Amino acid sequence: ILNVEQSPQSLHVQEGDSTNFTCSFPSSNFYALHWYRWETAKSPEALFVMTLNGDEKKKGRISATLNTKEGYSYLYIKGSQPEDSATYLCAFGKMKTSYDKVIFGPGTSLSVIP
Amino acid sequence: DTEVTQTPKHLVMGMTNKKSLKCEQHMGHRAMYWYKQKAKKPPELMFVYSYEKLSINESVPSRFSPECPNSSLLNLHLHALQPEDSALYLCASSQAEGRSTYNEQFFGPGTRLTVL
Repeated sequence: ILNVEQSPQSLHVQEGDSTNFTCSFPSSNFYALHWYRWETAKSPEALFVMTLNGDEKKKGRISATLNTKEGYSYLYIKGSQPEDSATYLCAFGKMKTSYDKVIFGPGTSLSVIP
Repeated sequence: DTEVTQTPKHLVMGMTNKKSLKCEQHMGHRAMYWYKQKAKKPPELMFVYSYEKLSINESVPSRFSPECPNSSLLNLHLHALQPEDSALYLCASSQAEGRSTYNEQFFGPGTRLTVL
């Protein structure tokens, strides 16, 4: 059974604080690591797909790093804003053919307090 | 158009009913997915269609029957469901480009299903 874990489970930060959370995944048979943001009552939205050890990706105030040898990825949010409040899911890609089979972690729920 | 649409948004059905969930995308994606998400749990993969052919069935009970009538549509037919099947059902799609490209999945907003 593959386990994808995320920590912390939930996080409350003040507006303007920077924050980060962790995704842990099996380091063997790695294909890709996805990050998604899921706001309440909306669709999950892809943030990043990372495939190479040492990958760093950035989108605005959000960035992510990847360590495939030790099996973890960090997501960073700089200067959190209330609109960043969402659940952040990582997903471990364990198979790649013509489709992407991924296993989702349980998510980190972020609340940014104005 | 980068939207995946799902209908209905909410569905309440009895255990003897037959109903269907619908998913549609016009991004030219040839991989489509059904996920089930229970409260405070991550989405769990149910089915994957690739080029309109069923590629993965994650040991889903036969009371759930998927169908991919064309490259834009994905259905999930429901029959004789149990109360524990109540959940959010998410549809997603992605490009199907072979082994060298790892693609994000585009999700619909989901159908909230309640089985009485």
